[in-house]
Amino acid sequence: EAGVVQSPRYKIIEKKQPVAFWCNPISGHNTLYWYRQNLGQGPELLIRYENEEAVDDSQLPKDRFSAERLKGVDSTLKIQPAELGDSAVYLCASSLTAGLAGVNEQFFGPGTRLTVL
Amino acid sequence: SQQGEEDPQALSIQEGENATMNCSYKTSINNLQWYRQNSGRGLVHLILIRSNEREKHSGRLRVTLDTSKKSSSLLITASRAADTASYFCATDAWGGNKLVFGAGTILRVKS
Repeated sequence: EAGVVQSPRYKIIEKKQPVAFWCNPISGHNTLYWYRQNLGQGPELLIRYENEEAVDDSQLPKDRFSAERLKGVDSTLKIQPAELGDSAVYLCASSLTAGLAGVNEQFFGPGTRLTVL
Repeated sequence: SQQGEEDPQALSIQEGENATMNCSYKTSINNLQWYRQNSGRGLVHLILIRSNEREKHSGRLRVTLDTSKKSSSLLITASRAADTASYFCATDAWGGNKLVFGAGTILRVKS
């Protein structure tokens, strides 16, 4: 079974340029997450989708970040314009929908390492 | 903000020794999960322990949970060089429906 696929793996851009990241979750996983991981830190949630609905985007900087999950499968995260502080690894993860017992194990993609110059 | 805090920040041991990492958190939880991240890779799920469980095993891994102290520990027995990685605890707080990760412990196993 294929895991979570992300592209690109690396991206170097000048500040003020736009950038987009793509994620294909594991088949059958309704929940999709985008995280940002700064160097030496754990992942921090940016947005969580249940199917095509963004159910938690409280940590997404909406002035420059946007995301979509059309048809409830693939997802794209965009930054426009990028700033120096956006340099980080952007991780996508997917899981089965959380139940009464809480959040299920999450399956992570390899991430996109973004460098903003 | 990161609810979980791992201790120590870094740990260096010899192959064959045991490694213990601790995680403390602040609010009541549904469950607590441990993940491993090899350099330049995504995170891999290791084990999930529910709030009504006290101990769980998976191969060479043993996780304990003390909800009264709001803490958990991950023990890796008979460590191998391949265990070199960063280890993160992640908490699922009641009503949160999301995981909050700590800053991680960097484990180095020397051969």
